[in-house]
Amino acid sequence: TQLLEQSPQFLSIQEGENLTVYCNSSSVFSSLQWYRQEPGEGPVLLVTVVTGGEVKKLKRLTFQFGDARKDSSLHITAAQPGDTGLYLCAVLFRAGAQKLVFGQGTRLTINP
Amino acid sequence: NAGVTQTPKFQVLKTGQSMTLQCAQDMNHEYMSWYRQDPGMGLRLIHYSVGAGITDQGEVPNGYNVSRSTTEDFPLRLLSAAPSQTSVYFCASSYSTLGSSPLHFGNGTRLTVT
Repeated sequence: TQLLEQSPQFLSIQEGENLTVYCNSSSVFSSLQWYRQEPGEGPVLLVTVVTGGEVKKLKRLTFQFGDARKDSSLHITAAQPGDTGLYLCAVLFRAGAQKLVFGQGTRLTINP
Repeated sequence: NAGVTQTPKFQVLKTGQSMTLQCAQDMNHEYMSWYRQDPGMGLRLIHYSVGAGITDQGEVPNGYNVSRSTTEDFPLRLLSAAPSQTSVYFCASSYSTLGSSPLHFGNGTRLTVT
């Protein structure tokens, strides 16, 4: 069974603080995507990473793909209330697979 | 740009009733899929389709049927609803190979089975 675990499950911090959330797999994966979901809406893609060790930046968000292709992290600098949401990682365990496997998500709340 | 449209937005069923959740996309995407989202369990794949006339099972297919007669539409049928099927259902589509292009999600159907 290929498992994907996200941590922490819940995180509540003050505006302006930094944070990191994690996505870990029991197996090597081909590619990984991070999505953000707001209440009442479907998830929206933030980034795709495909190369071990890859780092991508999206404004105040930094995404890292582990060298061993079994984990990833999302770091947010100077968090803002607009960052509040459910952050989901999703992986393809092999190239060409037709099933994207999602983690259970990290629910992030940024308090003003 | 409508994207992925799901109807209805909310539905309440009694145990044993049947219904169809509708999903339509106007982006000419070949890949379409259905997920259910439950608290603490993320999104779990129910069924997916890589093109018209082709469907396959995901992680949790039992109790659900799908068909893909056109590229645009991918309805999900509950044959005999059970309380365990209370969930939020998301339809998603993708233009190209999974992992290299994003999944585009609808806004979900919240289903309650009593």
